[in-house]
Amino acid sequence: EADIYQTPRYLVIGTGKKITLECSQTMGHDKMYWYQQDPGMELHLIHYSYGVNSTEKGDLSSESTVSRIRTEHFPLTLESARPSHTSQYLCASSAAGPSGTYEQYFGPGTRLTVT
Amino acid sequence: SQKIEQNSEALNIQEGKTATLTCNYTNYSPAYLQWYRQDPGRGPVFLLLIRENEKEKRKERLKVTFDTTLKQSLFHITASQPADSATYLCALDTGGGADGLTFGKGTHLIIQP
Repeated sequence: EADIYQTPRYLVIGTGKKITLECSQTMGHDKMYWYQQDPGMELHLIHYSYGVNSTEKGDLSSESTVSRIRTEHFPLTLESARPSHTSQYLCASSAAGPSGTYEQYFGPGTRLTVT
Repeated sequence: SQKIEQNSEALNIQEGKTATLTCNYTNYSPAYLQWYRQDPGRGPVFLLLIRENEKEKRKERLKVTFDTTLKQSLFHITASQPADSATYLCALDTGGGADGLTFGKGTHLIIQP
């Protein structure tokens, strides 16, 4: 079982509210990622980080922002939630393995519903 | 951009048989390909990784093959059990692996007792 945690697990919130989804890992991994997944669909990379003070946008355009002030913490923020933001958000981390590959370790996800 | 195709229909297999799942991709061949298992309401769990210069990789009852000519990977579960029922995701590196992965939609596998 991977040591990566996400809170809250479920969130129902009204339109226009600011929300922060928390993600923490205790494995000391440099690389962290946020993916978005709708039911029955593939995961889409929305943000990633190489390490402290590094943030990059992923393949899927997102109105969310991220920060990486500490190695273990990679929160995702939506300034003004909209119903189109309703989805499952998955956080992951990785580090280079012995052969230079990057298997990813995922948290349990946050299911966000914006009403 | 890279596109990944996995069997969109659920795959029903009788317990004890071998389940074979397919992953096809377009465009460039990735440096390596990964397989994950995802249970309902949970995050994916890493299973196996195979490099472009490897034909086959095994781990217990799992076997992965990688054919860069066909742009295809096959994922096999031998002696399947009901506990193997889940969605299995194929993922490719987007460049170096550290930049994140491109995932397929997954194949929902059902092992019937």
